[in-house]
Amino acid sequence: EILLTQSPATLSLSPGERATLSCRVSQSISSSLAWYQQKPGQAPRLLLYHASNRATGIPARFSGSGSGTNFTLTISSLEPEDFAVYYCQQRSNWPSLTFGGGTKVEIK
Amino acid sequence: QVQLVQSGTEVKKPGASVKVSCKASGYTFTSHAMHWVRQAPGQRLEWMGWINPGNGDTKYSQRFQGRVTITRDTSATTAYMELSSLTSEDTAVYYCASGVVVEVWGQGTLVTVSS
Repeated sequence: EILLTQSPATLSLSPGERATLSCRVSQSISSSLAWYQQKPGQAPRLLLYHASNRATGIPARFSGSGSGTNFTLTISSLEPEDFAVYYCQQRSNWPSLTFGGGTKVEIK
Repeated sequence: QVQLVQSGTEVKKPGASVKVSCKASGYTFTSHAMHWVRQAPGQRLEWMGWINPGNGDTKYSQRFQGRVTITRDTSATTAYMELSSLTSEDTAVYYCASGVVVEVWGQGTLVTVSS
């Protein structure tokens, strides 16, 4: 079973600051990683797929990098609407999907 | 527009079964995999299984094997997820998700299991 570990669990930042979120995978998955954003009471929203490709309509302040076992989601300058929980998801053994435990980005 | 619309809130007793529907519109239903994901209160997203709407092939998470059944009705462009032998630990929001890159999600269906 592929395990995904996200860090930190909580990130306290102010609007305008840069956010860096990490996702570590228990085995190499090449670039088969996606990132989702979830706000309270809402379904997850796809931000990035194949580690670094932005989904339709996603602002350029969201970027992704990494391959193999280490991945990063960067939000270059936090907007008020970006405070949410972020999940990474691996797709290496499609159609099975696995999610990380999430990182909550909260207002400092 | 492309959307997935799920059935409404369910309240079930322990030991019962629940069947959640997910109606797709705005795209060719048989072209993209349909996944089911659940989220217990305060917990991470958890993949339950998948169906290929084109040919009906399924794959389930080992965690739910034997308790979950995913089906589809192509004429109704609707997928279904049935979970049996419910316990309080199955209280969660259940989502369907589809699309080329799993970018389309239903609104979620709250299932509460309580005696």
